[in-house]
Amino acid sequence: AQSVTQLDSHVSVSEGTPVLLRCNYSSSYSPSLFWYVQHPNKGLQLLLKYTSAATLVKGINGFEAEFKKSETSFHLTKPSAHMSDAAEYFCVVKERGSTLGRLYFGRGTQLTVWP
Amino acid sequence: DGGITQSPKYLFRKEGQNVTLSCEQNLNHDAMYWYRQDPGQGLRLIYYSQIVNDFQKGDIAEGYSVSREKKESFPLTVTSAQKNPTAFYLCASSTAGERTGELFFGEGSRLTVL
Repeated sequence: AQSVTQLDSHVSVSEGTPVLLRCNYSSSYSPSLFWYVQHPNKGLQLLLKYTSAATLVKGINGFEAEFKKSETSFHLTKPSAHMSDAAEYFCVVKERGSTLGRLYFGRGTQLTVWP
Repeated sequence: DGGITQSPKYLFRKEGQNVTLSCEQNLNHDAMYWYRQDPGQGLRLIYYSQIVNDFQKGDIAEGYSVSREKKESFPLTVTSAQKNPTAFYLCASSTAGERTGELFFGEGSRLTVL
């Protein structure tokens, strides 16, 4: 069985300070992991994905995430927050070989960026 | 530009009425999906289709129906049997051969039942 736990429902940071959004997963097999971002009343956009290559994955807009199998974690980070980063972020897991589209979404972390 | 178009963006419905949400894609993707989003619950899969004329139930299919008569279209009907239909509905698509699971999303339709 697979599941995703986003450890914080809300994170607030000041502009220019680092961002850390935490995600732990549970998966029976080697998973693919993703972070998606959603701006208000919009669809989701892929930020980055891990699919068994390098454990440190770089995405768009300066975000990156590190896959740590021993900790079953896939935390999202950014060195310096920008006002435009304010959005909701979803950690997503997909088991290798599972039916295409059967993604499992975390409940989301709302990121607020203060000026 | 290629993408996914959902309509309408906002929809109001009286209790007991069926309503159909449109989803059209011009990405030439084989697979299409419908998700429901409620505050604090992430996204939950309603139905998905990997090929024309075929679709499967997701985790919360009760009270919903779909059709896939054309590759580019995957409409969702919210029936009167759906007990709590007020939500944000997202349509997505992907290439059927894409094993890594990247989805492309529309901008969503917000349904409110009065």
